[in-house]
Amino acid sequence: ILNVEQSPQSLHVQEGDSTNFTCSFPSSNFYALHWYRWETAKSPEALFVMTLNGDEKKKGRISATLNTKEGYSYLYIKGSQPEDSATYLCAFKGSNFGNEKLTFGTGTRLTIIP
Amino acid sequence: DGGITQSPKYLFRKEGQNVTLSCEQNLNHDAMYWYRQDPGQGLRLIYYSQIVNDFQKGDIAEGYSVSREKKESFPLTVTSAQKNPTAFYLCASSNSLTSGNTIYFGEGSWLTVV
Repeated sequence: ILNVEQSPQSLHVQEGDSTNFTCSFPSSNFYALHWYRWETAKSPEALFVMTLNGDEKKKGRISATLNTKEGYSYLYIKGSQPEDSATYLCAFKGSNFGNEKLTFGTGTRLTIIP
Repeated sequence: DGGITQSPKYLFRKEGQNVTLSCEQNLNHDAMYWYRQDPGQGLRLIYYSQIVNDFQKGDIAEGYSVSREKKESFPLTVTSAQKNPTAFYLCASSNSLTSGNTIYFGEGSWLTVV
């Protein structure tokens, strides 16, 4: 079973502050790294799919970076708003032939304090 | 509207009974997945199917069974052999992850076994 770790497990951030958290994954047999946002009582929704070392993706105030050589990705949220409160999941896809599955981390639960 | 429908949302069963969770998608996705979530743990893959009439075990398949007779449908049966069946179950679907596609999730089913 692959080891995909996220830290911290939970985070409380004041509204307006910026924050970031980490996803660590195996640096060998890498194919893609996904980020999902999971709001309470809703389904997880995709934020980014990242495939290239050094990749940076941005969606509004949220951005992500990828380092495949050392096996980590950072998710950044600039100027946190209450609607950013959610659990953020990363998921690793390996490059093994025929491997069509994602291995998820345990998530970072973000709470924005108004 | 296109999406993934899971039913029922809440299910209570007595120990020793098999239960089947329904998952239907109208996104025309080839692949479908079943994940389980327990408190403090990430999403763990139970089974996945890349094509009709074919499916593979995930990381925690013991005590579960699936079928994929139609592209739209991927029901999960939790058998009496599953030692700790009480959990939150998420169904998902996608087109090929190798092509950089993301996973789409249903809203989940809560199963409580008493």
